[in-house]
Amino acid sequence: DQQVKQNSPSLSVQEGRISILNCDYTNSMFDYFLWYKKYPAEGPTFLISISSIKDKNEDGRFTVFLNKSAKHLSLHIVPSQPGDSAVYFCAATFSGTYKYIFGTGTRLKVLA
Amino acid sequence: DAGVTQSPTHLIKTRGQQVTLRCSPKSGHDTVSWYQQALGQGPQFIFQYYEEEERQRGNFPDRFSGHQFPNYSSELNVNALLLGDSALYLCASSLRRLAGETQYFGPGTRLLVL
Repeated sequence: DQQVKQNSPSLSVQEGRISILNCDYTNSMFDYFLWYKKYPAEGPTFLISISSIKDKNEDGRFTVFLNKSAKHLSLHIVPSQPGDSAVYFCAATFSGTYKYIFGTGTRLKVLA
Repeated sequence: DAGVTQSPTHLIKTRGQQVTLRCSPKSGHDTVSWYQQALGQGPQFIFQYYEEEERQRGNFPDRFSGHQFPNYSSELNVNALLLGDSALYLCASSLRRLAGETQYFGPGTRLLVL
């Protein structure tokens, strides 16, 4: 049972344009969501998070939007840069558990 | 400020052998979680250690065991290795897993079982 889904395995975007990565979840108990970026041969790097009491969180070029009614979150990167090329994982958790549940990742390629 | 470190970086074992992977948490962190990432998948939670005790376990068999030391470092042990145990093993550290506390990952140990 895949509770966190990233339905797009890959995405290509031109440098300077917006990248939008999507994530859907099924468990309504999730109350904290995170995005991680992973380069080859490295561990996931924390990017940005959002609590379920908010619907938007912004950090520089990165913004995460949460739509609780649709059980959907998205990560916007504006403007996209070639260095943003990586695999992006969405993760979710809730107060009653210590584990993160990850999606399968979306490979973003930013074209120069 | 030292981040999460893991050793070794790569490991090759044969079926039936046993392996021990090591993790040192980020400075100031006291909680360690272990994840397994198979090729093309997201990380899967194995277990979490806090105060030298396993306090939550994912859907992994008893062949997977762990330990946390008084200095908060941790080991992951896998017995009777199977081909399917080939994966990237990630360690993540956090502070007491407070609400909203973020887990920070190490670079991982890539295990290949032949």
